[in-house]
Amino acid sequence: AQKVTQAQTEISVVEKEDVTLDCVYETRDTTYYLFWYKQPPSGELVFLIRRNSFDEQNEISGRYSWNFQKSTSSFNFTITASQVVDSAVYFCALISYNTDKLIFGTGTRLQVFP
Amino acid sequence: SQTIHQWPATLVQPVGSPLSLECTVEGTSNPNLYWYRQAAGRGLQLLFYSVGIGQISSEVPQNLSASRPQDRQFILSSKKLLLSDSGFYLCAWSVREKETQYFGPGTRLLVL
Repeated sequence: AQKVTQAQTEISVVEKEDVTLDCVYETRDTTYYLFWYKQPPSGELVFLIRRNSFDEQNEISGRYSWNFQKSTSSFNFTITASQVVDSAVYFCALISYNTDKLIFGTGTRLQVFP
Repeated sequence: SQTIHQWPATLVQPVGSPLSLECTVEGTSNPNLYWYRQAAGRGLQLLFYSVGIGQISSEVPQNLSASRPQDRQFILSSKKLLLSDSGFYLCAWSVREKETQYFGPGTRLLVL
């Protein structure tokens, strides 16, 4: 069975702090894809990143970085120098090769205070 | 570029009334289309997905149904709404299975 766990329900930080959002996944498939989405207060889910199971290289995009570690089944997301506009709910998601269903975690609400 | 539209943006309906939510995608052909529901403070639940016109797969048995009358149009319907149908409904599309899903702006439904 596939499962995504985001143990942090809510995180509050002050602007300019770094923050890491945790994501742990479970799957028996060796081929799978991991995603992060951002859901701002408007509600629309905004795609941030897609990573396949054969690519363990960490990725950096501006203030965003992702740490993929197959050994611990984790795909963590770090925001450097957080800003108020980063306030949102962030979802980690998984789709395995043998299924067509995107499995979401329960999300982490990030609040960045000025 | 591809865009996805949903309407209406918000809807307040009485219990027992019918429902029709529409989703359209522009800028791509033969997309996979998905309907999700997000209850307040909860994660996303896949309701239906479609790989082509007239092809609908249901993930959760309920009083909702979906149809795909055209290649880039996906409709979510109900004959009689329940209180438990309240939530945020999101439509998404992808090029094919296992590819990135891109979401629309969503419809907030409140059933009273």
